[in-house]
Amino acid sequence: NAGVTQTPKFQVLKTGQSMTLQCAQDMNHNSMYWYRQDPGMGLRLIYYSASEGTTDKGEVPNGYNVSRLNKREFSLRLESAAPSQTSVYFCASRVQGANYGYTFGSGTRLTVV
Amino acid sequence: ELKVEQNPLFLSMQEGKNYTIYCNYSTTSDRLYWYRQDPGKSLESLFVLLSNGAVKQEGRLMASLDTKARLSTLHITAAVHDLSATYFCAVDSDFGNEKLTFGTGTRLTIIP
Repeated sequence: NAGVTQTPKFQVLKTGQSMTLQCAQDMNHNSMYWYRQDPGMGLRLIYYSASEGTTDKGEVPNGYNVSRLNKREFSLRLESAAPSQTSVYFCASRVQGANYGYTFGSGTRLTVV
Repeated sequence: ELKVEQNPLFLSMQEGKNYTIYCNYSTTSDRLYWYRQDPGKSLESLFVLLSNGAVKQEGRLMASLDTKARLSTLHITAAVHDLSATYFCAVDSDFGNEKLTFGTGTRLTIIP
């Protein structure tokens, strides 16, 4: 099993450009999450999806949109990138209600210049 | 709003010494997670603590949970260089609508 797969691994954008970060999981998990990690800080939740067809805002949703395309895939879109969105983005998934942990992807390192 | 505080933020210790990282949180969640992150890497799950009084050990690391005090500890015994990393605690929200809130992390450096 691949677990949680994120693409791309690295990306450089110019201010104002748009892009979509892709995330897919093959573990049949129903909940998926997008976090960002900035230097010296823990991970902060951007958006999450408790099940296919539902999405909710997390702690820092401004400037982002998400799509839960199906049970496997959860994408994060930056419509007009800003330097403040320079960060490392992690996707995660889990089985809702289960007593075990979250599985994280390898991350996407995004730089906005 | 759920808040998770870790201390210390930075820890430099000699090999062979013992130390404890503390994680305080602000709600009544009884599910707490510890993760390890190496530079430039993703998060590696270390422990999942699911109830008051839970204690788990793996090698030189031991984690415990006191839900009444809203406190978890990660104890390092006889530290070795390979344990150098950043350690995060994270707390789950309401059962059935889970999402993790992370502490700011403890950057641990083990000095030979």
